[in-house]
Amino acid sequence: AQSVTQPDIHITVSEGASLELRCNYSYGATPYLFWYVQSPGQGLQLLLKYFSGDTLVQGIKGFEAEFKRSQSSFNLRKPSVHWSDAAEYFCAVGPYSGGGADGLTFGKGTHLIIQP
Amino acid sequence: DARVTQTPRHKVTEMGQEVTMRCQPILGHNTVFWYRQTMMQGLELLAYFRNRAPLDDSGMPKDRFSAEMPDATLATLKIQPSEPRDSAVYFCASGSPGNQPQHFGDGTRLSIL
Repeated sequence: AQSVTQPDIHITVSEGASLELRCNYSYGATPYLFWYVQSPGQGLQLLLKYFSGDTLVQGIKGFEAEFKRSQSSFNLRKPSVHWSDAAEYFCAVGPYSGGGADGLTFGKGTHLIIQP
Repeated sequence: DARVTQTPRHKVTEMGQEVTMRCQPILGHNTVFWYRQTMMQGLELLAYFRNRAPLDDSGMPKDRFSAEMPDATLATLKIQPSEPRDSAVYFCASGSPGNQPQHFGDGTRLSIL
């Protein structure tokens, strides 16, 4: 069965500092990987996705993520965080058939706090 | 921007009552998903449909939950009878096969007293 682990429940970062959120997955086939962000009271917004090709993917709001097959990881990074980045971040994995076609398995989320 | 629309946004009701949550998927998407989010379990897939036919409802408690798609523009999730442990945020998402992601609605926050 597939699973996603986000080891950090909370992360506190100073505004302007760099950020890395960790994600490890367990999947028996070629995965599709996603990062979503959720602001309080809102739905999930897609930050970026990895299907194939270049293992470094760029997303919205200045985020990027790197797929490392050997480590089963898909860590999210941002070089300089802004106060508006404070939110809950979810990593998710889906089957190769496509992210829009099958149910996703989500990690438990990482709550990002931005210090002034 | 096309959006997934969920109603109601909030629902508070007493234990034993029937609850119906509705979802309007993005036009042209043929796959609709229902997820539940709780503090303890996080985001869990309950069920999903393709072309209005149920594909997988293995995540859904069968005795009290039911999901349907009466037409291509409406998906419903019903709980009857509701219990306090059903309190959660229920998300609908829609998508289509191919290299495109699912799009999520803003959720229905359900509280069962």
